[in-house]
Amino acid sequence: EVQLLESGGDLVQPGGSLRLSCAASGFTFGNFAMTWVRQTPGKGLEWVSLITHSGTNSYYADSVQGRFAISRDNSREILYLQMNNLRAEDTAVYFCAKSRLAVAGGRQYFYRLDVWGQGTTVTVSS
Amino acid sequence: DIQMTQSPSSVSASVGDRVTISCRASETISSWLAWYQQRPGQAPQLLIYSASSLQSGVPSRFSGNGSGTDFALTIYNLQPEDFATYYCQQSSSFPYTFGQGTTLDIK
Repeated sequence: EVQLLESGGDLVQPGGSLRLSCAASGFTFGNFAMTWVRQTPGKGLEWVSLITHSGTNSYYADSVQGRFAISRDNSREILYLQMNNLRAEDTAVYFCAKSRLAVAGGRQYFYRLDVWGQGTTVTVSS
Repeated sequence: DIQMTQSPSSVSASVGDRVTISCRASETISSWLAWYQQRPGQAPQLLIYSASSLQSGVPSRFSGNGSGTDFALTIYNLQPEDFATYYCQQSSSFPYTFGQGTTLDIK
């Protein structure tokens, strides 16, 4: 069974740091890009970050650029999100998702998130 | 960044009805659009990708169309399990962005 399991969510003070993990199973992790998406309490979904299958390239939302870092360990089949200088507005449920790649016109498109984890909760508060 | 705007924000309908949710992109995204369903307390689930392709395992009463800037998700013959929140998402250019969501509830 294809599965993603997030962990690492916690209560942290503003300005603090946290590292989230997402353990994958049931598919060849190293063949797929991976994405983090978050959902603030009672609000909608926000795309946070993506890392390509090899880890060579990563992309970020403007709101987290320079504070968050996405990485992966393909040998252990784990995705990470290092979150630094956390703010109250980073409070959210964080989901990891498996991303499918299409190539068109010489460009890459990570066009569907076809497997999601159940999420881990991050609360930033003093 | 590309802004995705969904309408309506909420809609009420009955079992057996047909409902259409719209999604507009602030610039052209070709067909790089996906639709997700999220039930309360659950993770989102992929319904439609590439604007109109049905994800494996998703009932055929879900249908997507559109290209460029205007897209729609139509649900035919609403079932009780379809009452949820729906999101569109563009994957044309980074940062990828979601619409604000449309909540479908029972009339």
